[in-house]
Amino acid sequence: DADVTQTPRNRITKTGKRIMLECSQTKGHDRMYWYRQDPGLGLRLIYYSFDVKDINKGEISDGYSVSRQAQAKFSLSLESAIPNQTALYFCATSAVVGRTDTQYFGPGTRLTVL
Amino acid sequence: AQSVAQPEDQVNVAEGNPLTVKCTYSVSGNPYLFWYVQYPNRGLQFLLKYITGDNLVKGSYGFEAEFNKSQTSFHLKKPSALVSDSALYFCAVRDSGSGNTPLVFGKGTRLSVIA
Repeated sequence: DADVTQTPRNRITKTGKRIMLECSQTKGHDRMYWYRQDPGLGLRLIYYSFDVKDINKGEISDGYSVSRQAQAKFSLSLESAIPNQTALYFCATSAVVGRTDTQYFGPGTRLTVL
Repeated sequence: AQSVAQPEDQVNVAEGNPLTVKCTYSVSGNPYLFWYVQYPNRGLQFLLKYITGDNLVKGSYGFEAEFNKSQTSFHLKKPSALVSDSALYFCAVRDSGSGNTPLVFGKGTRLSVIA
């Protein structure tokens, strides 16, 4: 979805380096999410934020941190990258309409840690 | 706790044949159910959702899904498969009584439509 953008799209880095993945959205949604995708494991939630002052850990937050700089921006950091953090990372956004919300995903960032 | 299972890692179907991708769920209350599709090198795209009402939900690209409360299932279907339907499909669930709990996704089912 072009309304949710992620930078960079691809990144190769070395063990121990600090990495930041950025997500921006123009959908006006309050809620933002970071997921990682690994083959055979599906999507796993790393962190989520329901508004600028709200940050919550997901299923696999160890080794990651996030920053919600504004309603439209949500960044994911790997303080000291390790090879098992090699994965496809997705940002998503949502807003409650009616009874629930529907998530919309960015195109993904492919991260390789050597 | 809420969970979702996609029992098949891979589904193969011939072009023009009907397709079914299976999903079962577990929630303590009433479910909100979703299907997403992921094409190669793309993010997930929303296909359809069940909130309440009619058990048969119609979505994008000719897909539909049937909510079956007694079997706790929400299988994705299409009457006639296209080669372009080949992709990775994810089912997701949220308990309607869970407040702000995020969606829980299944592990995905890879659909291959053979010409």
